[in-house]
Amino acid sequence: QVQLVQSGAEVKKPGASVKISCKASGYTFTTFHMHWVRQAPGQGLEWMGIISPSDGSISYAQKFQGRVSMTRDTSTSTVYMDLSSLRFEDTAVYYCARGRDSSTSWDAFEIWGQGTIVTVSS
Amino acid sequence: EIVLTQSPGTLSLSPGERATLSCRASQSVSSSYLAWYQQKSGQAPRLLIYGASSRATGIPDRFSGSGSGTDFTLTISRLEPEDFAVYYCQQYGNSPRTFGQGTKVEIK
Repeated sequence: QVQLVQSGAEVKKPGASVKISCKASGYTFTTFHMHWVRQAPGQGLEWMGIISPSDGSISYAQKFQGRVSMTRDTSTSTVYMDLSSLRFEDTAVYYCARGRDSSTSWDAFEIWGQGTIVTVSS
Repeated sequence: EIVLTQSPGTLSLSPGERATLSCRASQSVSSSYLAWYQQKSGQAPRLLIYGASSRATGIPDRFSGSGSGTDFTLTISRLEPEDFAVYYCQQYGNSPRTFGQGTKVEIK
């Protein structure tokens, strides 16, 4: 079945970086765009950016420009999200999410990873 | 950036009742690229509706979406116990993709 499996929880100090992985299975990895979304404790959902697994092209939300990097490894069907210069307010659950329609990047998010908890604490 | 405002913030209803959730956009949503998600505590969001009115795979027909332009509605015709959750709308026709702040549907 189609699934996205994310890496485990992380605890980081302010100023550090975190890299989260999202391994896809059950479908052709290069045919669907992948998004990253985060959710701070008790808060709503916030879109961070999108990566095309086929050519690696990316688009980031302006809020995260300069701090976020999204990459992919087609050999392992894995996308990565790297967030640097961590602040206390980056404490959140981070999700990868796949689009519903392979023909477009402008699509709803049909498949979600289980989430990765990132805690920023001194 | 398109801002989505959901109302009400909390909806207190009993099982079997009808739920009507609203999502208003700060500008017109391209091609009705509007989705609704359900999220239960400790879980990832689940896609319910895309394209403003199309049900996602496996979603029961008690969930329906409507609207266009700047005003959208999610209706749950008869609440089942498993429907009590938080619901988010999202526009995905413009970048950045944005979400509403959520509506919590709680048991009265």
